[in-house]
Amino acid sequence: SAVISQKPSRDICQRGTSLTIQCQVDSQVTMMFWYRQQPGQSLTLIATANQGSEATYESGFVIDKFPISRPNLTFSTLTVSNMSPEDSSIYLCSVEGTSGRAYNEQFFGPGTRLTVL
Amino acid sequence: GQQLNQSPQSMFIQEGEDVSMNCTSSSIFNTWLWYKQDPGEGPVLLIALYKAGELTSNGRLTAQFGITRKDSFLNISASIPSDVGIYFCAGLNRDAKIIFGKGTRLHILP
Repeated sequence: SAVISQKPSRDICQRGTSLTIQCQVDSQVTMMFWYRQQPGQSLTLIATANQGSEATYESGFVIDKFPISRPNLTFSTLTVSNMSPEDSSIYLCSVEGTSGRAYNEQFFGPGTRLTVL
Repeated sequence: GQQLNQSPQSMFIQEGEDVSMNCTSSSIFNTWLWYKQDPGEGPVLLIALYKAGELTSNGRLTAQFGITRKDSFLNISASIPSDVGIYFCAGLNRDAKIIFGKGTRLHILP
C-alpha cells in the first residue's frame, strides 16, 4: 500500500480564516479523495481530487468552501475557507489501491485535526 | 442515500474474549472493507472482501462478505489490549464510492 503523509497534523485557527491541508503520496496514484470526520462521527466524502481537472464534489460540499488542487499524481491540497467552529473536524486524504480490481480499496493518511475557535 | 447500519455501537469485553460485529444495508455493495482507527490516526485497512460469500482471515481477524452482498461481519478472536479502537465497515457501491458505517467502539476491560 502507498505511504500517505498530511500536513499539518493539527492546527487551531480563528474564525473567518482559511487553512490549506497538504496530502503527499509516495507513488503515483490516479484517484485521491478528501474526507471529513466530525468529532465522534464516521467519515464523509467531501470530494474526489482529479489530476488535470476540477475536483468532483459530493452533495453538501462546494468548491468555494473547500477548494481542491491536484497538480500531479502524488500531491493534492484541500483548503477549508472562511472557517467557522462547525468546521472543526479531522480531514483525511485517501488514495485508491492498485490491485487492478474494478472496485478498489482505499488507504488513508493520518489526518489533519482542525479546531476552529 | 445508501446507508450502512453497523452494530453494536460499542462493546466492553474482557481480554481474551472473542468479538463479533456486523454491518447491514438495504443496498448491494461490490466490495466490503473493514478499517480500524486508533485515536489521532487515520483508518487502517484490516480486510478487503471482493466477492459475495468470501471469507477472509488476517491473523486473529476473520471477515465475511454476505451472500446477498448486503451485509458483512468481522470477528476478532482472543482479544488483546491493542485491539482497542474504533472499527468501521465500509462498502463500495457501483459508483466506486465508499460508504462508511458509524463505527463500533471496542473497549477491553482489565
